[in-house]
Amino acid sequence: DSGVTQTPKHLITATGQRVTLRCSPRSGDLSVYWYQQSLDQGLQFLIQYYNGEERAKGNILERFSAQQFPDLHSELNLSSLELGDSALYFCASSPYSETDTQYFGPGTRLTVL
Amino acid sequence: QKEVEQDPGPLSVPEGAIVSLNCTYSNSAFQYFMWYRQYSRKGPELLMYTYSSGNKEDGRFTAQVDKSSKYISLFIRDSQPSDSATYLCATPDRMTTDSWGKLQFGAGTQVVVTP
Repeated sequence: DSGVTQTPKHLITATGQRVTLRCSPRSGDLSVYWYQQSLDQGLQFLIQYYNGEERAKGNILERFSAQQFPDLHSELNLSSLELGDSALYFCASSPYSETDTQYFGPGTRLTVL
Repeated sequence: QKEVEQDPGPLSVPEGAIVSLNCTYSNSAFQYFMWYRQYSRKGPELLMYTYSSGNKEDGRFTAQVDKSSKYISLFIRDSQPSDSATYLCATPDRMTTDSWGKLQFGAGTQVVVTP
């Protein structure tokens, strides 16, 4: 158990809908990262937050947004969902901003029908 | 072209054999490399972390970096059925200070160790 928690574990929704994925980092970690894992693209970095501020951005679609709250938990919002958004979404955390060692949560499996 | 290339396998070996996994990377400026293990339907977990060239050993696991050929390897000795998982290589994007948090992953190699 990495200490990173993610909810929900599974999410099934329809195209065009909006969902919110939640992540709680390990105790004391200030950085939160979001990744998407799909069969064709592999594990792709989406975005990083550090102590409430956006720190790094990857290939995150404009329909996706994230935020980190004062208690350091983070939410990833996915809107106008498409079939191709079906994937595993992982959250990871680390103590600082420039830390290579990231601890991954168990993931949220999103299915868009 | 992806920054890190990895053969997706699957790689099937008998119990007790040595598992050999490899990745190649594109940018000679990369210096830090990791290997993550991911069991089915679980999150990746960090196995090994190496800097620059050379070998690093941890129990049955050895990570090797050859910067001259931009090649990284992971060896698992005395493999066990519990080693059956997907192994991903990764390197952080250190091109700008704003991107240090971004890990770039290979496609992952699925390993099956048969009893």
